[in-house]
Amino acid sequence: DSQMTQSPSSVSASVGDRVTITCRASQGVSSWLAWYQQKLGKAPKLLIYAASSLQSGVPSRFSGSGSGTDFTLTISSLQPEDFATYYCQQANSFPLTFGQGTKVEIK
Amino acid sequence: EVQLVESGGGLVQPGRSLRLSCTAFGFMFGDYAMNWVRQAPGKGLEWVGFIRSKAHGGTTEYAASVKGRFSISRDDSKNIAYLQMNSLKTEDTAVYYCTRIGLIVAAGYYFDYWGQGTLVTVSS
Repeated sequence: DSQMTQSPSSVSASVGDRVTITCRASQGVSSWLAWYQQKLGKAPKLLIYAASSLQSGVPSRFSGSGSGTDFTLTISSLQPEDFATYYCQQANSFPLTFGQGTKVEIK
Repeated sequence: EVQLVESGGGLVQPGRSLRLSCTAFGFMFGDYAMNWVRQAPGKGLEWVGFIRSKAHGGTTEYAASVKGRFSISRDDSKNIAYLQMNSLKTEDTAVYYCTRIGLIVAAGYYFDYWGQGTLVTVSS
């Protein structure tokens, strides 16, 4: 199984800040990695698939990069609506696995 | 507009069974693989299981934590995916989300749409 480890577990940031979240896979997953945003009490929402492809309708301030075992999600200029928990997910093989989540909080 | 609507959640005693339904709207249901993800209260996301489209055999995959107890099926004539949960344990308490697998083959098994979730509470 490919275990996914995100860091940090939480980050405090201000509106306008650049935020970077990393995700490391215990086994290579090529570029088969997705990122999701979950707001409190809501279902997760797909942001990025195939490591760097932006899902339709997602603002361009979100970007993803990486391949193999190391990936990053970057929010270039944090907006008030971006305060949420973010999860990575390896989409390469079964069992599909998620990172433990990164909570982005208001500083 | 794509919509996934889960139903069937509720309070159930340990050892009993429950069946969740996921009704799909706004897309050709039969063309897509479908999937279930759960989230225990205050915890992260956990993949539960997956069913391929009939064109790809309609076969299933399961997480080790539910294999042998849970099963996924689909009725393409009704646009519904099911999650049959047997021998429920207290640790199965969670919000259960139905998700659609995206169609971009080169992107793997990612979840492009999610339902709103249905809460299953296993308690005596």
